[in-house]
Parts: sequence; C-alpha cells; structure tokens
Amino acid sequence: RKEVEQDPGPFNVPEGATVAFNCTYSNSASQSFFWYRQDCRKEPKLLMSVYSSGNEDGRFTAQLNRASQYISLLIRDSKLSDSATYLCVVQNSGYSTLTFGKGTMLLVSP
Amino acid sequence: ETGVTQSPTHLIKTRGQQVTLRCSSQSGHNTVSWYQQALGQGPQFIFQYYREEENGRGNFPPRFSGLQFPNYSSELNVNALELDDSALYLCASSPGLAGGPETQYFGPGTRLLVL
Repeated sequence: RKEVEQDPGPFNVPEGATVAFNCTYSNSASQSFFWYRQDCRKEPKLLMSVYSSGNEDGRFTAQLNRASQYISLLIRDSKLSDSATYLCVVQNSGYSTLTFGKGTMLLVSP
Repeated sequence: ETGVTQSPTHLIKTRGQQVTLRCSSQSGHNTVSWYQQALGQGPQFIFQYYREEENGRGNFPPRFSGLQFPNYSSELNVNALELDDSALYLCASSPGLAGGPETQYFGPGTRLLVL
C-alpha cells in the first residue's frame, strides 16, 4: 500500500464550481500534512498546511481526520487559474523530508 | 521566486551513460533534499544532505549518489542510466533538518530524458 494515496483525476469542473479532493495516508505516526500545487512542468509549491482543527485560506479549506487517516482540500468558486495538479503531502516527525501522493489533476473550464 | 537554482534545465542522455545534476541552495540553508518525479507521479524522495553528510535515503539504488559542498550546494549523480530514470529531478533546500515546508524551497527542476 502506498504511503499517500490520491485519486489522480482529472476532475473537470466549470468555473464557479466547488470541488473536493481527498487523500489517505498509511503511517499513523505522520505528524504534519500539507497540500501543494504543481503547475504543468513546474516545481511544486506549498498551497497550505493542514491542521486537525481545519484551516481556511480564502476559497481553500483543508481538513485532517487523524482517526480515519485522511486529508481533504475543498476549493470553492473555482477559477480558471486553479487548473493544476494538487499534491497531498505528509511529513514524519522531526524530519524535513516529504512524502508526496501522486497528485490530483484539476481542470477548470469556462 | 525562491533562491534555489538547478542546472541544467533539460538534459538528454542515452542508456548506460552517467549524469550529474546540480543544485544551489537558498542562502542560509544547510540542508538539500533531492526528489525524482516521473511523469504522472508525485515526487519521490531520493536522499538528503545536511552539512555535507548524507542524512537519509529513499528507496533508490546505489547508482544514485550525491554530494554536498562546503557552500551547501549539491550534486546528484546517476550512473548506468536506465530508461526509467527519465523524470523531473527536483532539489529542495531548507535551513535545517526539522523544518517544515514553510521553510523548504524547491528549485525549478532538471528534466532528464534517457533514450
């Protein structure tokens, strides 16, 4: 079983739609969780951290469920510029190395 | 833009050849991690260097090796290239071992094609 699993998509949504991505992780000792965004042929960039209490940044909301070992990302009012691959990332305690999921591709159309 | 640079940006090699990829870390960062991202996959951790010593390694064979220099820049060397080594190679620098992604910056990557 892969350490971090995501549905690769693609998710095709119209502008203005709400879309949600889920991710599961297998290592119950994982400490920190993140969502990255990666544009085509570019390096991944940190989108937001994910906390147990949930956190929101504008149109983006991230949630962590430790009991079920899953992480979610909700994007409201999708924009064309949100088209990208969204990578679920886990970091184990005390180490800076990151474990990435395969990514979920989002395509927002006019 | 981060201060992490990588060279070359693109590279084409043939099977069996050797390649060296380079990464200049962000000023003040002493830790460099290397990742391999094959097409359609997420980045996979290769190894990490901290103050010129290898500090951890992912599931990659010994033909993947690295170096870190006193200025904390780093090299990734791959010997006996295979077709499956074709990927985007990313380096990420950070100010220490325990930092989170908020302080870890990726370079733009080197795209390697093995024919």
